[in-house]
Amino acid sequence: GAVVSQHPSRVICKSGTSVKIECRSLDFQATTMFWYRQFPKKSLMLMATSNEGSKATYEQGVEKDKFLINHASLTLSTLTVTSAHPEDSSFYICSARKGYADTQYFGPGTRLTVL
Amino acid sequence: ELKVEQNPLFLSMQEGKNYTIYCNYSTTSDRLYWYRQDPGKSLESLFVLLSNGAVKQEGRLMASLDTKARLSTLHITAAVHDLSATYFCAVDRGYNNNDMRFGAGTRLTVKP
Repeated sequence: GAVVSQHPSRVICKSGTSVKIECRSLDFQATTMFWYRQFPKKSLMLMATSNEGSKATYEQGVEKDKFLINHASLTLSTLTVTSAHPEDSSFYICSARKGYADTQYFGPGTRLTVL
Repeated sequence: ELKVEQNPLFLSMQEGKNYTIYCNYSTTSDRLYWYRQDPGKSLESLFVLLSNGAVKQEGRLMASLDTKARLSTLHITAAVHDLSATYFCAVDRGYNNNDMRFGAGTRLTVKP
């Protein structure tokens, strides 16, 4: 149990376009989902935390207008990178948690390349 | 602010040798995690440590937690090539605080 999927696994887009990444909890309801960003050979940096039905809480330095997060249901959160630029190229990983006292389960990640 | 420090950041070891990775954190925590990441892949959960003195073992890996010292260790016994990966520790204060911070990671290379 506790499987988290992400789609797509890999995406290449042109500069200026928007890209949507989906994160789904397949066999549990996730009260909270997290979005992380990882640069090559670096650690994971928390971008934002989203609770179902509420606005996401963004970490300091993360532009909320650029990285739009929607958590419309207990099994789905989406991250939209708007007007993508090459510096947005990164590995994006989501995680999901059943409740406040539970561990986080990580998705397989989405590699975004902006040309 | 919660800070998590890992060392070493790079570790090259021979097969059959033992070594320990250290993870220090700066504030009280409910839980400490160890993850493994292979190149181009996401995180694989290895251990969750919940209390002072907790020790967990899986195969050649053993993790321990000392909450008083705010220190966790990941000990590798008789390393094999398949253990080559990047290992992260992470600290989660849980409950009403969604703050989860990762260490910088330890890139382990096990040589034949």
